[in-house]
Amino acid sequence: SQQGEEDPQALSIQEGENATMNCSYKTSINNLQWYRQNSGRGLVHLILIRSNEREKHSGRLRVTLDTSKKSSSLLITASRAADTASYFCATDENQAGTALIFGKGTTLSVSS
Amino acid sequence: ETGVTQSPTHLIKTRGQQVTLRCSSQSGHNTVSWYQQALGQGPQFIFQYYREEENGRGNFPPRFSGLQFPNYSSELNVNALELDDSALYLCASSHRTSIHEQFFGPGTRLTVL
Repeated sequence: SQQGEEDPQALSIQEGENATMNCSYKTSINNLQWYRQNSGRGLVHLILIRSNEREKHSGRLRVTLDTSKKSSSLLITASRAADTASYFCATDENQAGTALIFGKGTTLSVSS
Repeated sequence: ETGVTQSPTHLIKTRGQQVTLRCSSQSGHNTVSWYQQALGQGPQFIFQYYREEENGRGNFPPRFSGLQFPNYSSELNVNALELDDSALYLCASSHRTSIHEQFFGPGTRLTVL
């Protein structure tokens, strides 16, 4: 099945720095979501942005969406060691079905 | 915590056996989806259930089957297990009115030997 692609695959930063990860997808979408996963456990829903929105904020998270480029970015500001996790974008790819299509994720490591 | 629970947490089976995984949806959610996540990969959609009927299916063979019960809890059954079925199985619940906003459980780690 088609998947989005996150970039970079891995990111290592120091506490207090900002982390930016990107996601590209292939077809038109209704909305795009970002999830966090700690050490192979369940996915935590972070934020949903609709196709008619360009930017959305939630606490230290900022998500942008550019439907013309079929891409999204997730910015985590003032990162903390607890932000260490894998981050996935998921799209519905504007299909009548109900599947979420995930990329392979970005692994973020925040060191203190 | 999302309120979505899954059991068991871990499971070890041998090739050819059958397995049943269970999921309880978040309160108020009437739709449940199942995903398979192989090591180092993103989750892959298996199928979704709404009103006790399959409501979409990914590229998985028929030996992957499911059920949804009147209380919206769900089961994933896998027959004739293969080594490649080793993965984290994730259940997600959502409400029909916001079906793509899915909330995941902690997953069941299945190892097939």
